[in-house]
Amino acid sequence: KAGVTQTPRYLIKTRGQQVTLSCSPISGHRSVSWYQQTPGQGLQFLFEYFSETQRNKGNFPGRFSGRQFSNSRSEMNVSTLELGDSALYLCASSGGQTSSGANVLTFGAGSRLTVL
Amino acid sequence: GDSVTQMEGPVTLSEEAFLTINCTYTATGYPSLFWYVQYPGEGLQLLLKATKADDKGSNKGFEATYRKETTSFHLEKGSVQVSDSAVYFCALSDRTGRRALTFGSGTRLQVQP
Repeated sequence: KAGVTQTPRYLIKTRGQQVTLSCSPISGHRSVSWYQQTPGQGLQFLFEYFSETQRNKGNFPGRFSGRQFSNSRSEMNVSTLELGDSALYLCASSGGQTSSGANVLTFGAGSRLTVL
Repeated sequence: GDSVTQMEGPVTLSEEAFLTINCTYTATGYPSLFWYVQYPGEGLQLLLKATKADDKGSNKGFEATYRKETTSFHLEKGSVQVSDSAVYFCALSDRTGRRALTFGSGTRLQVQP
């Protein structure tokens, strides 16, 4: 069974540009979450989508947005890039709570964004 | 709000040594607890989980027990290998309806041959 696929894996942008990252979840998973990982702030939650609706949102400025399509694939967009947006952006999918009640996330390999 | 505190790294051990990485948490209610591992250049992989008090999660020789009385979920392995070198993240997921994971800062483990 294919895992979570993120594209592109690496990209370089300059300040002021915008970027779109893509995530294909595990087949059958309807929930997609996005996290930002930086050396200074660690892993921070961006947002979660379920059935094309944003269900939860972290504490990030409006420059960070996302969407989910009917096939559960998701994209996130960052506009007006700043140097501090350089990070590894991780996507995770979930098939819902397991029988034990845990919501297990499966992560992709990430998209590493460098802003110059 | 919820929070997870992990011991500072890096932790440097010799092969076959015993490993403990401490993790404590603050959360309302009864969260689910997780350990994720990140190898260089890769995303996060679920290592183990526990969903209620006294549950023991285990996988690949790693174990962690959900201790509600001490709000802890320490990761242990009896004999580490060089291939265990990675960054380990403790995380929690609460049950209040918010589905995001709250992560600790991560602990880098370096195992020397």
